[in-house]
Amino acid sequence: EVQLVESGGGSVQPGGSLRLSCAASGFTFSDHYMDWVRQAPGKGLEWVGRIRNKANSYSTQYAASVKGRFTISRDDSKNSLYLQINSLQTEDTAVYYCGRSGSYSHFDYWGQGTLVTVSS
Amino acid sequence: DIQMTQSPSTLSASVGDRVTITCRASQSISSRLAWYQQKPGKAPKPLIYKATSLESGVPSRFSGSESGTEFTLTISSLQPEDFATYYCQQYTDYPLSFGGGTKVGIK
Repeated sequence: EVQLVESGGGSVQPGGSLRLSCAASGFTFSDHYMDWVRQAPGKGLEWVGRIRNKANSYSTQYAASVKGRFTISRDDSKNSLYLQINSLQTEDTAVYYCGRSGSYSHFDYWGQGTLVTVSS
Repeated sequence: DIQMTQSPSTLSASVGDRVTITCRASQSISSRLAWYQQKPGKAPKPLIYKATSLESGVPSRFSGSESGTEFTLTISSLQPEDFATYYCQQYTDYPLSFGGGTKVGIK
């Protein structure tokens, strides 16, 4: 059974940093692209970014709203995906989901999400 | 950037009703369109991919269609468990983008 479990969320002051993790199991993690998607309270879904697999050089793509502040990485030996968030702003308050994807593929599995709250 | 315009933003329907939700892309997305269902406090659940393909385990009352840059999600006979918010998403070009969502409520 495919499982994605996020962790690392919490309350942070503006300007702070946080590292989110997503633990994967039930599939060959190293084969897949992985993404982060967020959802602000009461709002819609916003794609954050993607990291491709080793065959595609672990290259990354980011939404313009987070580029330069967010960094996506992965450790295939630990079946884990990460999101480093720096210079947090109040508008970064959201539930952050990790999702499994592929080249020209939708998100076929999602984690349960982890809440990040940015407030002074 | 590709904009995904979803309509309506809310709709009220009764059990047994036929429900249609529309998503329009600002440019061609080559059928790379997915539909997701989300219930409060839960992660989105994929329903449809490649515009018309049903995800494994999804009831056949859900279907997708496309006409150019206009995509439709249809629920043929609304069930109590279908009251939720639905999102479309294009995955042909970066940044990947979602529609604004359609909340299906009880009439």
